[in-house]
Order: sequence, then structure tokens, then C-alpha cells
Amino acid sequence: DSGVTQTPKHLITATGQRVTLRCSPRSGDLSVYWYQQSLDQGLQFLIQYYNGEERAKGNILERFSAQQFPDLHSELNLSSLELGDSALYFCASESGLAAYNEQFFGPGTRLTVL
Amino acid sequence: AQSVTQLGSHVSVSEGALVLLRCNYSSSVPPYLFWYVQYPNQGLQLLLKYTTGATLVKGINGFEAEFKKSETSFHLTKPSAHMSDAAEYFCAVSETSGTYKYIFGTGTRLKVLA
Repeated sequence: DSGVTQTPKHLITATGQRVTLRCSPRSGDLSVYWYQQSLDQGLQFLIQYYNGEERAKGNILERFSAQQFPDLHSELNLSSLELGDSALYFCASESGLAAYNEQFFGPGTRLTVL
Repeated sequence: AQSVTQLGSHVSVSEGALVLLRCNYSSSVPPYLFWYVQYPNQGLQLLLKYTTGATLVKGINGFEAEFKKSETSFHLTKPSAHMSDAAEYFCAVSETSGTYKYIFGTGTRLKVLA
């Protein structure tokens, strides 16, 4: 158990819909990352938050947004869903910003768009 | 800019045989290097990491990796494969420059044959 929790575990929805994925980092970790993992694109970095502020952006679509709340939990919002958004979405947390820190991954949310 | 290349998206070994998963990186500054493992339907977890000091790094489950600066490599090895080692393995590089510091490789799926 990494200490990172993600809800829900599975999500099935239809095209055009909007969903929210939730992540609670390990206790004390200030940094949260979001990743998308699909068979054809592998592990893609989406976005990073540090202590409530956006820190870095990766291959995140404009239809996707995220935020980190004062209690440090984070939410990833996916809107106008398309079939191609079906994937595993992982959240990871890290204690700070040092490059030698490891990331702790949650179990993921499997999103299926029908 | 940093990058990571994992040679071989799929590797098969017999149970009891040597496991060798290859990772080459490029980085403009001394890197920090990581190997993560992902078991089916789970998030990634850290196997081992190189920060500074000893270039041979030992990790969990009998894995080790050697940082070779001259070859820009960080290959993962295990002397004797076990069926439970079947998983996907990701190499990652991190450096202090830039805002987003992690780059993950595309992953190598290890299959262990009985």
C-alpha cells in the first residue's frame, strides 16, 4: 500500500459526459502528479501540483483540468469525453520538489468511455 | 533535455534465468535514475533508485542496477527470474533543471516462462 488513494476504482460513462477523479496523497506529501496510461500511448504525464499551485504541465488536453485543494487532495476533471479517453488514470505523490525524490503511485482509476 | 530509452518493449526469460532490462538516458546534468515496476492492475512502485555515490544500486525483490556514466546506461538485472517477476518495468530519469523533472521510459513487459 503506497498510502495514495484514488476514487473511484472504476468508472464507466458515455461520450460527451464529464467525470471527476479524486486523489488523496500520502500524509505530508505536498506534490501531486496525474498520469494517463493507455495501451497505445503508454504512460503520459498530464499535470503536477505542488502545495495547491500548478507546477508543471504535460500532455494534458484542454478538455481536462485539475486542481489541488488546501487539504492537498487533488481532482482531475475530464469533460466532453471521447472514446479515446478510455485509459487508466494514475495519481502519484511526492514529498517535495527534490529531483531525487521518488513518486508514490495510487492504484489508479480505470475509465471506460462507451 | 533529458530523455529515456528502454530497449525492448517485451522481454521473455525462462524461470531461473538472468533478467536484463535495458535503459539508456540522456541528460545535460548529472541525473537521478529510477526503476519502477507495475504489476497487473496496480500502480507503479519503486524498485530502486540512483542518486549519488555507489553506482551499483540494490533494490527490492533481488533486483539491482548499475549506473554507467560513460555508457549513459542504467540497466536492471536480476540473477534468477521468478514467475512473480512478470510485470511491466519503467525506467525514469529526473534532474533538477526545468519545472517537470521526471521522464519515464515507454516500459518493458517482462514475461517469465515456466
